[in-house]
Amino acid sequence: RKEVEQDPGPFNVPEGATVAFNCTYSNSASQSFFWYRQDCRKEPKLLMSVYSSGNEDGRFTAQLNRASQYISLLIRDSKLSDSATYLCVVNRKDTGNQFYFGTGTSLTVIP
Amino acid sequence: EADIYQTPRYLVIGTGKKITLECSQTMGHDKMYWYQQDPGMELHLIHYSYGVNSTEKGDLSSESTVSRIRTEHFPLTLESARPSHTSQYLCASSDRGTGRPQHFGDGTRLSIL
Repeated sequence: RKEVEQDPGPFNVPEGATVAFNCTYSNSASQSFFWYRQDCRKEPKLLMSVYSSGNEDGRFTAQLNRASQYISLLIRDSKLSDSATYLCVVNRKDTGNQFYFGTGTSLTVIP
Repeated sequence: EADIYQTPRYLVIGTGKKITLECSQTMGHDKMYWYQQDPGMELHLIHYSYGVNSTEKGDLSSESTVSRIRTEHFPLTLESARPSHTSQYLCASSDRGTGRPQHFGDGTRLSIL
């Protein structure tokens, strides 16, 4: 079983839509969680860390459910510039703080 | 913006050549990583280091080698490049401590003819 699993999509949504991505992780020793954004042929860039209480950054909201080992990212009022691949990333202390990446979810925002 | 730099950005070179991909960071991060990523595919960890003189192989078998003589520098070397090494190579670093994210360089796009 993969450490981190994401729905690969693609998600094609109209501008202004709200879209949610989900991610599950397999190991309960996972302790830190992140969402990254990766544009085509570019490097991953940190979008936001995910905290246990949930956190928001503008149009982006991240949630963590440790009991279900589930992470989500909600994007409100989608913009064309949100089109990218969104990577769910988990960090495990028991493996020396290794980072584990999901395969990514592709989002295209359509005019 | 994270201060992590990779050179070259692009490299097209013939089979059999020795190649060194450079990665430097100015943030004083202890941990550094090399990933390999093909277009549209997931990242694969090939090497990592938790500090000077510490290097480990990642999940993906790679014919490359790395060194960590200085905290800020983590070069990756291919002794004899082959077409199968054609890929994008991404370097990342992270600070010690819980909850610290990785920061990535711009990547090196390598093509072996």
